[in-house]
This record gives sequence, C-alpha cells and structure tokens, in this order.
Amino acid sequence: DAGVIQSPRHEVTEMGQEVTLRCKPISGHDYLFWYRQTMMRGLELLIYFNNNVPIDDSGMPEDRFSAKMPNASFSTLKIQPSEPRDSAVYFCASSLTGSDGYTFGSGTRLTVV
Amino acid sequence: GEDVEQSLFLSVREGDSSVINCTYTDSSSTYLYWYKQEPGAGLQLLTYIFSNMDMKQDQRLTVLLNKKDKHLSLRIADTQTGDSAIYFCAEKEYGNKLVFGAGTILRVKS
Repeated sequence: DAGVIQSPRHEVTEMGQEVTLRCKPISGHDYLFWYRQTMMRGLELLIYFNNNVPIDDSGMPEDRFSAKMPNASFSTLKIQPSEPRDSAVYFCASSLTGSDGYTFGSGTRLTVV
Repeated sequence: GEDVEQSLFLSVREGDSSVINCTYTDSSSTYLYWYKQEPGAGLQLLTYIFSNMDMKQDQRLTVLLNKKDKHLSLRIADTQTGDSAIYFCAEKEYGNKLVFGAGTILRVKS
C-alpha cells in the first residue's frame, strides 16, 4: 500500500486566494482525519470523518475552512479566502478502527503571503 | 479539551538509553500512543498501549504506563543517531479523536 497520499506537498498562495488540499486515505480505512501543525499551537485536529460522514468538525477554525469526503478514497480541505495566519503544515491521516492509531500522510506545507 | 504535556528537549549520547516522559489528564483514555516525526515528514506510529496494561515492549522500545499518576514514558534502548526526531505522546479521547502533546525533541550525540 502506498500509504496516505497528500497533494500538493507545498503550496504558496496569495492572501485572499482559494486553496484546496487533497488526501487519499489507505484503502479500507474507515476513518479520515485532518490536522494542522504550527510551532505555536502544535497539532490541532480540524475535522474527522467516519465512513465518509463528518463526525466532529469542532476544530475547524472558522467558516473559511470546509472539508468534504465525497467517497471512501478522497477528501479535500478548502480554505477560502486564505489568510497569512493559515500558514501551517496540514496533515491528513487515516485509521482502520480509530483505536489502532493513525497513519499520517507526508503533509502539505501551506504558505500564504 | 484535555491536555497532554511533555518535556521540550532531551539530549543523549549514542548508545545510551533515552526516556521521554508524558503526562495526560483524561483518566478515561483507553489508548495512549507514541509517534515519531522526522524533519519534513509526517508522524509515524511507533507503538501504543491499552490502558489496562502497565508495560509494553517492542524491540528497543519500552512503554511504561502509570494510570494512577497519569504518566506515560517511552524508553529507547541503545539510542542511535537515526533516533533523532520529535516524539509525540497522544491520548485517545471520546470518539476516535487523538490529542497530541507538544512533542519532545530528541537529539542524539555521536
């Protein structure tokens, strides 16, 4: 298995632009998580899905952020409009049962200038 | 939410043992985890322990859990330069949400 695949690896965009981050979980994993990592706040859970259904989105910072999972093999995290404070590394992770630990992707480093 | 706390930095000599400590606050946590993050990479699951266990050993890694004190530790035997990384402790909260500590930077000197 290729693991959790995220794209792009790096994204540089101007403030106000729309940004879409993509994730392909491990096949057969029922859980998908989006995390954000910054020096100041560490790892923060933004949202997670179970069987493509959003379960907990309490970590989504504000309405500028939205996430979808149209099928079991694909999820997107969209920021519109982006702001410099959104600059961070965004990780996607998937899990078979939720208790067996997560497998993380390599992350997308987002820089908003 | 619940807090997971770790010391910020640990420096050891190659060949020595490393012990990374973590405290958590949610007494109902059923699983506790250790992850490793190398520069520019995602987090890699090293091991996890169920809350009814006191100890788990996996090759050079030993996890100790003290539920009474809500203290978790990771011991790395015969630490190598390749073990230099950031180590995260995490606890499983309600649902399937993992809450991570801030991470401990392990530096191994040769």
